[in-house]
Amino acid sequence: DSGVTQTPKHLITATGQRVTLRCSPRSGDLSVYWYQQSLDQGLQFLIHYYNGEERAKGNILERFSAQQFPDLHSELNLSSLELGDSALYFCASSHRDWSTDTQYFGPGTRLTVL
Amino acid sequence: AQKVTQAQTEISVVEKEDVTLDCVYETRDTTYYLFWYKQPPSGELVFLIRRNSFDEQNEISGRYSWNFQKSTSSFNFTITASQVVDSAVYFCALSEARYNNNDMRFGAGTRLTVKP
Repeated sequence: DSGVTQTPKHLITATGQRVTLRCSPRSGDLSVYWYQQSLDQGLQFLIHYYNGEERAKGNILERFSAQQFPDLHSELNLSSLELGDSALYFCASSHRDWSTDTQYFGPGTRLTVL
Repeated sequence: AQKVTQAQTEISVVEKEDVTLDCVYETRDTTYYLFWYKQPPSGELVFLIRRNSFDEQNEISGRYSWNFQKSTSSFNFTITASQVVDSAVYFCALSEARYNNNDMRFGAGTRLTVKP
């Protein structure tokens, strides 16, 4: 158990809908990262938040947004969902930054868009 | 643009064999970070190692070792005396410090199967 929790584990929804994925980092970790893993695109980094502020942005679509709250949990919002958004979404946390600290990954949320 | 190539899609070995997973990267930055991650059949991702561009010293951790060579833009991963539990998909990744907004790019992954 990495100490990073993600909810829900599975999510099935329809095209055009909006969903929110939640991540709770390990106790004491200030950074949260989001990744997407799909058969088509492989593993992609989406976004990194550090202590409530956006620190780095990867290949995140404009339909997607994220935030990190004062209690350090993070939410990834996916809107106007398309079939191609079906993927496994991972959250990871580290104390500060991936350039210095180990990242710990959650079990992922599997999103299926029908 | 930053790019990571893992040319080996799948590798199959017999237990106790040594195996090397290749990773070649492209970057225009002088400050960058290289990573290896493991994804076992259970699906969770596990961080294995990070290397910054200023530290070319090879690293050994038990049966795992990493060979970083800037001259060939490679960061290869060797498992010595492989075990069935090493069966997983392994990803190499690159993050540039100055360009691309600290984005991290992953290779396509190498699926390693270790047979008993």
